[in-house]
Amino acid sequence: ETGVTQSPTHLIKTRGQQVTLRCSSQSGHNTVSWYQQALGQGPQFIFQYYREEENGRGNFPPRFSGLQFPNYSSELNVNALELDDSALYLCASQQGVRSYEQYFGPGTRLTVT
Amino acid sequence: SQQGEEDPQALSIQEGENATMNCSYKTSINNLQWYRQNSGRGLVHLILIRSNEREKHSGRLRVTLDTSKKSSSLLITASRAADTASYFCATDPYLGANSKLTFGKGITLSVRP
Repeated sequence: ETGVTQSPTHLIKTRGQQVTLRCSSQSGHNTVSWYQQALGQGPQFIFQYYREEENGRGNFPPRFSGLQFPNYSSELNVNALELDDSALYLCASQQGVRSYEQYFGPGTRLTVT
Repeated sequence: SQQGEEDPQALSIQEGENATMNCSYKTSINNLQWYRQNSGRGLVHLILIRSNEREKHSGRLRVTLDTSKKSSSLLITASRAADTASYFCATDPYLGANSKLTFGKGITLSVRP
């Protein structure tokens, strides 16, 4: 148990729809990163939030957006869903951007049909 | 893009044997981390080695780092069936104030009872 929770566990959406995934960080962690993991691949960095501000972004289009709240919980929003967005979405929290170790949640499995 | 390249892609060993997994990367790093993932669930941090370290131990785990060859290895000694999982190396460039991980595609380890 890492203390990081994600909801929902599984989600099925239709192409073109929008989805919001949620992450609750480990207590005291003010930095959260989101990753996309396609089947059989390693996680790909989407973006990171530090103290409610975006602190870096990977190679993902603008339809992937995020929010971090004052309690450091976070959301990942994906608009105009495409079939290739089907993946496991992982969030990871850490204490400060200079903390090396990230604590991962169990992930949300998104299926786009 | 994925910086780390693990090899082999899959490894099957008998319980009690040692498992050695390798990772190569392309760019400069601040540290390299190994993670474990069970059945498409969240990742669990195993061990971190900094760029100025050459070897590190944690329980049955031993990790080495050769920055001149841009490679790392993870050794699991006296493997158990419960070690069956996917293992990922992740590099952290730590450029400025940002700490973000780039993962490889992973190694699937099967430990036969």
